[in-house]
Amino acid sequence: QQQVKQSPQSLIVQKGGISIINCAYENTAFDYFPWYQQFPGKGPALLIAIRPDVSEKKEGRFTISFNKSAKQFSLHIMDSQPGDSATYFCAASVTGGFKTIFGAGTRLFVKA
Amino acid sequence: DVKVTQSSRYLVKRTGEKVFLECVQDMDHENMFWYRQDPGLGLRLIYFSYDVKMKEKGDIPEGYSVSREKKERFSLILESASTNQTSMYLCASSKNRGGEAFFGQGTRLTVV
Repeated sequence: QQQVKQSPQSLIVQKGGISIINCAYENTAFDYFPWYQQFPGKGPALLIAIRPDVSEKKEGRFTISFNKSAKQFSLHIMDSQPGDSATYFCAASVTGGFKTIFGAGTRLFVKA
Repeated sequence: DVKVTQSSRYLVKRTGEKVFLECVQDMDHENMFWYRQDPGLGLRLIYFSYDVKMKEKGDIPEGYSVSREKKERFSLILESASTNQTSMYLCASSKNRGGEAFFGQGTRLTVV
């Protein structure tokens, strides 16, 4: 019940295309759903996050879509660029709780 | 600029050695974490600490211990390194429990 399942494991997208990464969770107590971006040789960094009181959050080319009833959330990268090539992790946590549960990660490669 | 600094980027140690990984944060965060990152497995929590001298086991604590003598410093100790502990180790801190985590750049440990 503590798992966050992320797919796909890897993704290749043409420059200008849309990258979509999906995550599913089981624990309905989760109330914070961040996405982290990790470039090679670096630690992960927060990209965008959402709480379950909204169904969508957009920051520039990055959008989180959230489906509370299905217990799923996804990251959409519009107009994907080679500089977006990185590993993306979804995560889930309970505000005030100790643990953040991470998905397995998606390696995105954007072809120029 | 907020920072989490890990003492080493790369380490090579021999089987059976005692290994210390050091992490320092300058954000006055109470919460600190150690994760290991392995391909296809995402980030798995080893130990965390929510206060000085406090520590809690994460999901994979076996073979590891931690020390937090000062608020800004959190050390991970491999009591007797084994080859299956070859991995990327990431330290993180957060201001709020269950909130945004700030990661160090990682330590890639190889045990031979």
